[in-house]
Amino acid sequence: GAVVSQHPSRVICKSGTSVKIECRSLDFQATTMFWYRQFPKQSLMLMATSNEGSKATYEQGVEKDKFLINHASLTLSTLTVTSAHPEDSSFYICSARDTDRYTEAFFGQGTRLTVV
Amino acid sequence: GNSVTQMEGPVTLSEEAFLTINCTYTATGYPSLFWYVQYPGEGLQLLLKATKADDKGSNKGFEATYRKETTSFHLEKGSVQVSDSAVYFCALGGGAAGNKLTFGGGTRVLVKP
Repeated sequence: GAVVSQHPSRVICKSGTSVKIECRSLDFQATTMFWYRQFPKQSLMLMATSNEGSKATYEQGVEKDKFLINHASLTLSTLTVTSAHPEDSSFYICSARDTDRYTEAFFGQGTRLTVV
Repeated sequence: GNSVTQMEGPVTLSEEAFLTINCTYTATGYPSLFWYVQYPGEGLQLLLKATKADDKGSNKGFEATYRKETTSFHLEKGSVQVSDSAVYFCALGGGAAGNKLTFGGGTRVLVKP
């Protein structure tokens, strides 16, 4: 299957700072990328869907000004958590899909964000 | 809206034991159902899927049958190995959900030698 690389795998930041998480499709073109968030012992919750070259579509309750998503190329999407607070500490996972080639989405390894 | 409920873990088993992880769902339309597995330090991988009622997905000795009458998609394996230790996620997508996946909370499975 196709490979999605997510970086960093772990990050610790101070309250009030911003953190950028990258999601790259290594051997295919990701026409659509998805960002999920997972709290301890809870489900993965879809935050937003982005299509290359378009603005992201955010799920209800997700602050688009706080979670900035950029999908400027067919192989890279970034999620920036702005002005991070401890309650933003979570596990963030991206997935990518090439709608022309695959019927499934491929997932990155996830990023554990801790805001102190 | 769509939702997926799966049994909480951790599930601890001995090698060669029988594994069942229950998964039930609520959905509009006719979704596809998936099981994903996440091994330590890795991303989620698709384990198996079923796209319509009564379909059986299978892979690596795991099986799950799409039961519309009971809205279930239980995962089973007859004889687990230590290498099956991972977190398993049940999910639904497609149908009215389109590209979006709705996940269950995940079940951690630990297989001891």
